[in-house]
Formats: sequence, C-alpha cells, structure tokens
Amino acid sequence: DSGVTQTPKHLITATGQRVTLRCSPRSGDLSVYWYQQSLDQGLQFLIQYYNGEERAKGNILERFSAQQFPDLHSELNLSSLELGDSALYFCASSVRGGYSRETQYFGPGTRLLVL
Amino acid sequence: AQSVTQLDSHVSVSEGTPVLLRCNYSSSYSPSLFWYVQHPNKGLQLLLKYTSAATLVKGINGFEAEFKKSETSFHLTKPSAHMSDAAEYFCVVSDNNQGGKLIFGQGTELSVKP
Repeated sequence: DSGVTQTPKHLITATGQRVTLRCSPRSGDLSVYWYQQSLDQGLQFLIQYYNGEERAKGNILERFSAQQFPDLHSELNLSSLELGDSALYFCASSVRGGYSRETQYFGPGTRLLVL
Repeated sequence: AQSVTQLDSHVSVSEGTPVLLRCNYSSSYSPSLFWYVQHPNKGLQLLLKYTSAATLVKGINGFEAEFKKSETSFHLTKPSAHMSDAAEYFCVVSDNNQGGKLIFGQGTELSVKP
C-alpha cells in the first residue's frame, strides 16, 4: 500500500458526460501528479500540482482540468467525454515535486469506461 | 528531450532462471532512472531507482539494475525468477525540466512458466 488513495476505483459513463476523479496524496506529500494509461498511448503524464498551484503540464486535453485543494487532495475533471478517454487514470504523490530524484508513489488508479 | 526505449515488449522465462529486461535511455544530462512494476489490476510499485550514486542499484524482491552511461542502458535483472514476478515492468526517466514528471517506456510484459 503506497498511502495514495484514489476514488472511485471504477467508473462507467456515457459519451458527452462529465466525471470527477479524486486523489488523496500520502501524508506530508505536497505534490500530486496525474497520469493516463491507455492501450494505444501507454502511460502519459497529464499534469502536476504543488501545494495548490499548477507546476507542470503534459499531454492534457482542454476538456480535462485539475485542481489541488488546501488539504492537498486533488481532483481531475474530465468533461465532454469521448470513447477514447476510456483509460486507467493514476495519481501519484511526492514530497516536494520539481526534483527529478524524488520517488513518486502511485495510487491504485481509477478505471474509466466511456460507452 | 528525454526518452526511454524498452527493447522487448514481452519476455518469457521459466521459474528459477535469470530475468533480463532491457532499457535504453536518451538524455542530454545525467538522468534519474526508475523501474516500476505493475501487477494485473494493481497500481505501479517502485522497484528501484538510479540517482547518480552507485551505478549498480539494488531494489526490492531481488531485482537490480546497472546504469551504463557508455551504452545509455539501464537493464533490469534478477538471478532467479519466481512465479510472482509475472507482471508488466516499466523503465522510466524523470524530466528535470518539467517538475520531475515521469516519462515511461512502453512496458515489458514478463511471463514466468512453471
């Protein structure tokens, strides 16, 4: 158990809908990362937050957004969902972020299925 | 730009025989490299990491990896495979310029035959 929690574990929804994925980092970690794992794209970095502020952005679609709250939990919002958004979404956390030698600890993921 | 290439998409070994999972990296400066493992329907677990200290890195569950700058390689090995090692393995490089974001290889699926 990494100490990173993600809810829900599974999510089934329809095209055009909006969903919110939630992540709680390990106690004491200030940085949260979101990754997407799909069959065709593999594992890709989406976005990083550090202590409430966006720090780095990757291949995140404009239909997707994220935020980190004062209690350091983070939410990833996916809107106008398409079939191709079906994937496993991981959250990871690290103590500081922005430091390449830090270990990132991953949650169990949220599996999203868009029908 | 930094990247990693995993040379085998699938590796099959017999229980008790050595494991070798190959990874080459590309980086314009001294990289931070990791191996993560993903068991079926589970999250990602860190096996080991290289951060410019010793070039031979020991990880959990008997795995180790050697950083070879001249060959730009970071291959993962284990002397004797166990059935529980069957999983997907990812070689990963950390991007110094992008908040430490991780760049993943395509993964190697390891099968272990009894």
